[in-house]
Amino acid sequence: DAKTTQPTSMDCAEGRAANLPCNHSTISGNEYVYWYRQIHSQGPQYIIHGLKNNETNEMASLIITEDRKSSTLILPHATLRDTAVYYCIVRPPEGTSYDKVIFGPGTSLSVIP
Amino acid sequence: ETGVTQTPRHLVMGMTNKKSLKCEQHLGHNAMYWYKQSAKKPLELMFVYNFKEQTENNSVPSRFSPECPNSSHLFLHLHTLQPEDSALYLCASSQDLIVGDEQFFGPGTRLTVL
Repeated sequence: DAKTTQPTSMDCAEGRAANLPCNHSTISGNEYVYWYRQIHSQGPQYIIHGLKNNETNEMASLIITEDRKSSTLILPHATLRDTAVYYCIVRPPEGTSYDKVIFGPGTSLSVIP
Repeated sequence: ETGVTQTPRHLVMGMTNKKSLKCEQHLGHNAMYWYKQSAKKPLELMFVYNFKEQTENNSVPSRFSPECPNSSHLFLHLHTLQPEDSALYLCASSQDLIVGDEQFFGPGTRLTVL
């Protein structure tokens, strides 16, 4: 089973911030939180990752709670091209078997004009 | 352009056919992966290769046979598949098999088994 839970779907108005939550209450201290997205009929695309501190790049911001049990991906100004399924996954620490990398069903984000 | 290419993009095959999926990465990465994505299901990791050596076989049936002749190329040989094997097969690569390496995915091969 995936180690994360996300809402099945969300809507966001174009130009507004999209805030996608993810719960990972069983995360261990050395596991990273990764976000990918998959636009219809394409392969997944890496967005951002973090361990403890909040992270920001040209695509998004990642806010991780102090207890690390949840996080939020923020797309600051959503566009129609951001419509996709967003996956929050927990990456195992170095040396762990890679079959522990599990993608959940993700959140289907629809950006509405 | 992700630097990871897959061919063919679409494939239709019968249950008695033998076909191969090809993945190529031009990123200088050392690790490559095969994933399966069935309709309305999450991505499932199938195989992992690091420096051409298979490091993970996630309980995949033997009708799927991977091959990694070098760090840039990865194949998935298919034989006697079942209709339930119809799915999107995705290849990915990363610099190494360490935490912090992002995976770059190819566009996938849409496979239909009749």
